[in-house]
Amino acid sequence: EPEVTQTPSHQVTQMGQEVILRCVPISNHLYFYWYRQILGQKVEFLVSFYNNEISEKSEIFDDQFSVERPDGSNFTLKIRSTKLEDSAMYFCASSVDSGYTFGSGTRLTVV
Amino acid sequence: RKEVEQDPGPFNVPEGATVAFNCTYSNSASQSFFWYRQDCRKEPKLLMSVYSSGNEDGRFTAQLNRASQYISLLIRDSKLSDSATYLCVVLGDSSYKLIFGSGTRLLVRP
Repeated sequence: EPEVTQTPSHQVTQMGQEVILRCVPISNHLYFYWYRQILGQKVEFLVSFYNNEISEKSEIFDDQFSVERPDGSNFTLKIRSTKLEDSAMYFCASSVDSGYTFGSGTRLTVV
Repeated sequence: RKEVEQDPGPFNVPEGATVAFNCTYSNSASQSFFWYRQDCRKEPKLLMSVYSSGNEDGRFTAQLNRASQYISLLIRDSKLSDSATYLCVVLGDSSYKLIFGSGTRLLVRP
């Protein structure tokens, strides 16, 4: 069964540093997403990406965040100047329409 | 009002029990609804879509009441492996974004 692959599985970074979370969506999917889940809280939508541009973003997705599809396979989330409160699980997902596949997530710990 | 609201639980039930989870959503224009399952520190996984007529998948039955903006999930003959957090999810009105509830935790004991 096709998978969404995320790397790394765990990233520890110092406050103020920049991190790039990587995702390889399913090849024939058209929509790509990033979600975030702070420990003990609900899964929150960050951004959706379609046709090489952001189609929707949440209030969380401010200037600190950016997404990119640098080639035909990778989909990245960059977080600049990380803060302690950015510590969370970050899930990438892809879909054809509403049929989603989630990656296994990257646990980001900001120290 | 929260977009998707669930009782956080936990529901602690013996094996073989029947358990029901409820969920309410705020946007009356919502069209698509799902139940996802999430194990501890894992990604959400689709359990089933929820259709207006109600639908069943083995031991799981989902119901939708559009008038009350209410979704339910019934699990019959609970197994130990059903222990997880069950997420009520509504499709947003643009770009296929998913709106998650906070989840209801289920613990099935021997």
